[in-house]
Amino acid sequence: SAVISQKPSRDICQRGTSLTIQCQVDSQVTMMFWYRQQPGQSLTLIATANQGSEATYESGFVIDKFPISRPNLTFSTLTVSNMSPEDSSIYLCSVEVLTYNEQFFGPGTRLTVL
Amino acid sequence: QKEVEQNSGPLSVPEGAIASLNCTYSDRGSQSFFWYRQYSGKSPELIMFIYSNGDKEDGRFTAQLNKASQYVSLLIRDSQPSDSATYLCAVNTGGFKTIFGAGTRLFVKA
Repeated sequence: SAVISQKPSRDICQRGTSLTIQCQVDSQVTMMFWYRQQPGQSLTLIATANQGSEATYESGFVIDKFPISRPNLTFSTLTVSNMSPEDSSIYLCSVEVLTYNEQFFGPGTRLTVL
Repeated sequence: QKEVEQNSGPLSVPEGAIASLNCTYSDRGSQSFFWYRQYSGKSPELIMFIYSNGDKEDGRFTAQLNKASQYVSLLIRDSQPSDSATYLCAVNTGGFKTIFGAGTRLFVKA
């Protein structure tokens, strides 16, 4: 498994501002993922972040709104840009262990946009 | 569109009973299958994975896989109130692509 931390754990932000969420892993991993989970809903994949290359975004998510960095094999950031109340959600990062493609999740960042 | 389907529940079972959670998937080429437990306000926690047809047991949990029927299940024996959570089924369809179901809410009544 992997130990994953996220910062901040929660934040309340004003409309139109941006927030950068950090994800740190205790071991080197190839693939990191960013998900969004709205209350009572399942996980929605935002993008896949591979070290050394551009992130791959899922349908409905664009780089201008959710820029991602992956500077090394243990760290990634997700920025939620020009926020609106519809961006209020829990944002989760996960990493994939290559044995059987298991994913392990960070504790999440609870974002509220006013 | 590749899909993973779960009954949203809630599934309610008495303490000590067996809870049976089910999941179907659409991509016949899927290779790895996972069950996550998610407590309210927490992130998903991997509890079981299976990749071969048949049963895999870990303590009170048994995962069952039938690739011909494209069906995965999770059995929880001797259910405890602490098992009350949402259980997410996830399917790896190849490479780094894993699809999550919407989850089944389980309530274990004391």
